[in-house]
Amino acid sequence: DGGITQSPKYLFRKEGQNVTLSCEQNLNHDAMYWYRQDPGQGLRLIYYSQIVNDFQKGDIAEGYSVSREKKESFPLTVTSAQKNPTAFYLCASSNRGDGYTFGSGTRLTVV
Amino acid sequence: AQSVTQLDSQVPVFEEAPVELRCNYSSSVSVYLFWYVQYPNQGLQLLLKYLSGSTLVESINGFEAEFNKSQTSFHLRKPSVHISDTAEYFCAVTLYTGGFKTIFGAGTRLFVKA
Repeated sequence: DGGITQSPKYLFRKEGQNVTLSCEQNLNHDAMYWYRQDPGQGLRLIYYSQIVNDFQKGDIAEGYSVSREKKESFPLTVTSAQKNPTAFYLCASSNRGDGYTFGSGTRLTVV
Repeated sequence: AQSVTQLDSQVPVFEEAPVELRCNYSSSVSVYLFWYVQYPNQGLQLLLKYLSGSTLVESINGFEAEFNKSQTSFHLRKPSVHISDTAEYFCAVTLYTGGFKTIFGAGTRLFVKA
């Protein structure tokens, strides 16, 4: 079955540590996205990529970085510069505006 | 500027009662419209969409939404809800301005009571 796989499901980060969240899709979608969701809040766009080797900042890109070396993969790195990283992170993909397919999310907690 | 407004942050309703979750949008160009559902600790799932054609669209689990261009609305309805419908529902619009851009509403938490 086609879909998006996010891993890990739960991730714990120590202060000052960089961590990378994985996102892989086998839907052959061109566009991929990273969103952050805080309790009781909506989705905030971190980064997006419309094509391989190209990506753009979303509304809250500070403290995050991404790469898009392959069509299938769009990993997100939460750097030590992100002062409040505890949140639920969602990856999504789409094909020409026909709705998003989301992964099951990664819950990141700072310990 | 484009925007999506979900008028209710929380909607409590009794089981088997009807429900309407309201969504209004603002856009100067044509849009595609979507409703997503999110169960606790999960990602969002596409519930239904309007791209073109009939303004009334339905999902496989009894939800429906109607695109009203004059009122710029895309309200979600279900005639009889179940406990299992308890979830957060997000309205979204996609528009094309040189590239596809999607804007999500803030979400409506539907709580179905026995």
